[in-house]
Amino acid sequence: EPEVTQTPSHQVTQMGQEVILRCVPISNHLYFYWYRQILGQKVEFLVSFYNNEISEKSEIFDDQFSVERPDGSNFTLKIRSTKLEDSAMYFCASSEAGTEFSYGYTFGSGTRLTVV
Amino acid sequence: AQTVTQSQPEMSVQEAETVTLSCTYDTSENNYYLFWYKQPPSRQMILVIRQEAYKQQNATENRFSVNFQKAAKSFSLKISDSQLGDTAMYFCAFPSRGQGNLIFGKGTKLSVKP
Repeated sequence: EPEVTQTPSHQVTQMGQEVILRCVPISNHLYFYWYRQILGQKVEFLVSFYNNEISEKSEIFDDQFSVERPDGSNFTLKIRSTKLEDSAMYFCASSEAGTEFSYGYTFGSGTRLTVV
Repeated sequence: AQTVTQSQPEMSVQEAETVTLSCTYDTSENNYYLFWYKQPPSRQMILVIRQEAYKQQNATENRFSVNFQKAAKSFSLKISDSQLGDTAMYFCAFPSRGQGNLIFGKGTKLSVKP
């Protein structure tokens, strides 16, 4: 069964450093998403991406965050200057169509980001 | 505002028994999908089952089924013949208006006991 692949599985970074989280969505999917889950809390939407541009973003997704699809297969989330409160599990997801018509997202297995 | 509510933070069930996890939501949309996701200790998010709102028939996937009450905006998940591997967090999710935003409930932590 096709999978969404995320790397690395765990990243530890110093506060103030830049991190890039990487994702390879399912090849025939058109919509890509990033979500995060702070330990013990619910899953929160960050951003959606379609046709090489951001289609929707949440309040969490401020100027410190950016997304890119550099080469047609990878989908990255960059945090420019990490803060302690950015420590969370970050999930990439992809879907064939927008959620109103979707068969559901396929999530990756997540990247655990720890900011120290 | 669109919301998803899971009122049971934790539940437990004996192996082989049946358990029902509740979820309610609020929307003004008429056609939409609803999802249940499972998050085992590995923390991966796994789609368990989905329901299309315009279908009156409740969705079923093996031991997992839903009780979808559209008028009541209720979407509960029933797990039959519970197995130890069903131990996980279960999240109800619903797409907000627009194309990108799945709204998740706070989750129910299910423990299956031997």
